Amino acid sequence: GENVEQHPSTLSVQEGDSAVIKCTYSDSASNYFPWYKQELGKGPQLIIDIRSNVGEKKDQRIAVTLNKTAKHFSLHITETQPEDSAVYFCAVRGGYSTLTFGKGTMLLVSP
Amino acid sequence: DTEVTQTPKHLVMGMTNKKSLKCEQHMGHRAMYWYKQKAKKPPELMFVYSYEKLSINESVPSRFSPECPNSSLLNLHLHALQPEDSALYLCASSQEWGASYEQYFGPGTRLTVT
Repeated sequence: GENVEQHPSTLSVQEGDSAVIKCTYSDSASNYFPWYKQELGKGPQLIIDIRSNVGEKKDQRIAVTLNKTAKHFSLHITETQPEDSAVYFCAVRGGYSTLTFGKGTMLLVSP
Repeated sequence: DTEVTQTPKHLVMGMTNKKSLKCEQHMGHRAMYWYKQKAKKPPELMFVYSYEKLSINESVPSRFSPECPNSSLLNLHLHALQPEDSALYLCASSQEWGASYEQYFGPGTRLTVT
């Protein structure tokens, strides 16, 4: 089955800095790569996604890049704010049509 | 609107109780999912319903019984649970199952088994 590795497990930045979270996957047939933000006590919120026919996608301060050859994709958050503090999960949808999640990254943004 | 609602928000039950979790969406989605999430872990898929039919059961113990009464509703019936079943139970939905449809999660039900 699909194997997704996510790094780092924790990331501390100062407000205004950029944050980058990286995920690698194993199944070359995977074709859909969403990112979820989960705040304490809440369900995961879809924040951005990318499909295998696109290399980069941007939505305001958030961007995702995909390198299909190397089988990795990354979440980039610019100008971080304290409200960006949360756990971020990457996920991969492969041939089985179910999502496989990474183990999560706890992002802490200090004022 | 991408809202998935879940009730109750919190549930405490004994090992001999029977209870149900409810999930609802009004986005016209035809695929609905149950996930289990333990603290500091990612969501784990339990069940997938597609067009009101059970499509995937990820080897979940029979003390968890899903039900999809119609395209907007998803239930999870609980019976004779164990303390290790305590977790956040998440419902999700997507337009269809498969391909690259966005999957939206509800806020979850925090279940404690005593």
